Formats: sequence, C-alpha cells, structure tokens
Amino acid sequence: EVQLVESGGGLVKPGGSLRLSCAASGFPFSSYTMNWVRQAPGKGLEWVSSISSSSSFIYYADSLKGRFTISRDNAKNSLYLQMNSLRAEDTAVYYCARVHDYGDFALRYWGQGTLVTVSS
Amino acid sequence: EIVLTQSPGTLSLSPGERATLSCRSSQSVSSNFLAWYQQKPGQAPRLLIYAASSRATGIPDRFSGSGSGTDFTLIISRLEPEDFAVYYCQHYDDSPMYTFGQGTKLEIK
Repeated sequence: EVQLVESGGGLVKPGGSLRLSCAASGFPFSSYTMNWVRQAPGKGLEWVSSISSSSSFIYYADSLKGRFTISRDNAKNSLYLQMNSLRAEDTAVYYCARVHDYGDFALRYWGQGTLVTVSS
Repeated sequence: EIVLTQSPGTLSLSPGERATLSCRSSQSVSSNFLAWYQQKPGQAPRLLIYAASSRATGIPDRFSGSGSGTDFTLIISRLEPEDFAVYYCQHYDDSPMYTFGQGTKLEIK
C-alpha cells in the first residue's frame, strides 16, 4: 500500500524557516517524480514544486520566487521542502504527492498534509 | 501561463441527478495532460480522471471526463451522497509543472 506521511509543519514567525518532510513507503520511491502542493485555509489547491526521480529536474511555481527548495533522499525514501523567508500568505496545508505513473504526471497518491502557520 | 477557469463556482443538485462540471483553459492544451480531482472537507484530494478521460483505479464508472483543446468536462451521471465535494481540474505538462482550476463546489440541493 502506498503511503505518504508529511511532517514538520507548525507555527513560525514571518521571516522564519521551516523544513517539511514526507516519508514514502509501499512503492519504489526512487522511480517516481514527487511534488509538493499546498492549500491555504478555505482556498483552492496550489502546486508548489516537483522533483524528478533522480533530482535531475526540479521545478517551482513562479510565485515562490526562490524562497523554497525541494529535495529528496532516495536512500531514505524521503521528500523535503525547505521553506525560507516565510510570509503570512504561505500559511497552508502542505501535501506531498506522487505522480500517477511513469508515463503520466497526474497526482495519484497524496499524503494527509501538514499545516504550516506563519504568524507573529 | 495557462489559466484554468471552472464553472459553475457552486452547483446545487440532488442525489440521483446528473452533474456537469466545466473547465476552460486560457489556451489550447493537450488532452493527455488534463486531470480532475475530488476533495472532501479535511481530506486530501483524490485523483478521479487523468488524460482528460481515463478513470483512475477504483473510481466508479459514474464519473467520466471528456474534452479537448480549451474545453473539458467532468460528468457524474447519477449523484450519490458521497459525491458532494469540491472538484478541481488540473493541467500538467511533461516537466512536470501544474496548474489548478479554482474549483467547483458540488452541494446538496
């Protein structure tokens, strides 16, 4: 069974940093592109970043302006999101998600999400 | 930049009725890269449809997707009580990078 479990969320002050983790199991983690998607309270879904299986290709939403860094450790079956210079508008539930298949990048599996609150 | 516009914003229907949800893209996109998701309160999104018309594993056949170019549609043929939720369309490319629509809330009338 595919499982994605996020952790690392919490309350952080504006300008602060936070590192999210996503522990994956139930599939060959090193073979799949992974993503972070966020959802502000009461709002829609916003894609944050993707990383290819070998970390060769990394993409970010334009709105992040270099403040976030995605990474992965295939030996540990883990995905990460380093978030710096956090702002109130970064407050959201952050989901990690695995693509559907090798040939299709729809987001098939999702974690339960971790809440990040940016507030003084 | 591709912008996806979903309509209506809210759809009020009764169980047993047919639901038609629309997703319009600001520019023509490949139907290979259009997905639909369902999200219930407090839950993660669930993939329903990928490549515009292919149902994900375990999705009931009352859910169907269609469309091409700039206009895509999700149809729920006969609404069940568990279908009332928010639905999002999504475009993706082969990078991949993703764009979500703003969502359609399907509520019980």
